[in-house]
Amino acid sequence: ETGVTQSPTHLIKTRGQQVTLRCSSQSGHNTVSWYQQALGQGPQFIFQYYREEENGRGNFPPRFSGLQFPNYSSELNVNALELDDSALYLCASSNSGRGITDTQYFGPGTRLTVL
Amino acid sequence: GENVEQHPSTLSVQEGDSAVIKCTYSDSASNYFPWYKQELGKRPQLIIDIRSNVGEKKDQRIAVTLNKTAKHFSLHITETQPEDSAVYFCAAGERNKFYFGSGTKLNVKP
Repeated sequence: ETGVTQSPTHLIKTRGQQVTLRCSSQSGHNTVSWYQQALGQGPQFIFQYYREEENGRGNFPPRFSGLQFPNYSSELNVNALELDDSALYLCASSNSGRGITDTQYFGPGTRLTVL
Repeated sequence: GENVEQHPSTLSVQEGDSAVIKCTYSDSASNYFPWYKQELGKRPQLIIDIRSNVGEKKDQRIAVTLNKTAKHFSLHITETQPEDSAVYFCAAGERNKFYFGSGTKLNVKP
């Protein structure tokens, strides 16, 4: 298993609410990427944080936002939840600098259900 | 952005046979191509990866090939075992921004 952890494991929210998901990166890793995995589909890239700055974003609206802290842990915030936001949210950590592609290691995910 | 297509969506093989999963990508800037195995309810786990300066890589029963000109790459599993049963995802990207295929559900029948 990787050293990447996520909390909480499961979460149930209602439409319109806001949610915060957390990720602790593997020791020595400085980059965290977030993915949304709907049931039966591949992970979809949301965004990436490198040294506390957003370093790339996928095709997700601004109500998906994030933070990275000095210890490289990260948060994913989703505002105004919609039913389609129900999914497994995965974070992945890696050790990289800008312009360097490195292996990503995934956390166990947070299962979000929006009712 | 990058578009990754993966096929087949399901693959059923007999134990001991080989399995091949194929992916294509659209962005010529992609330079890193990992493959992940995801068992039900678990996190994706890296099984093998290849970079754009290499055409083939092998790790025991698993091999990956990359054709940059044609923009396609493939996963080969030989001597399949029941514990190989899982969903396999290919991905393509660069600078740690990866785009995943839709997955292949591999079923290895004992």
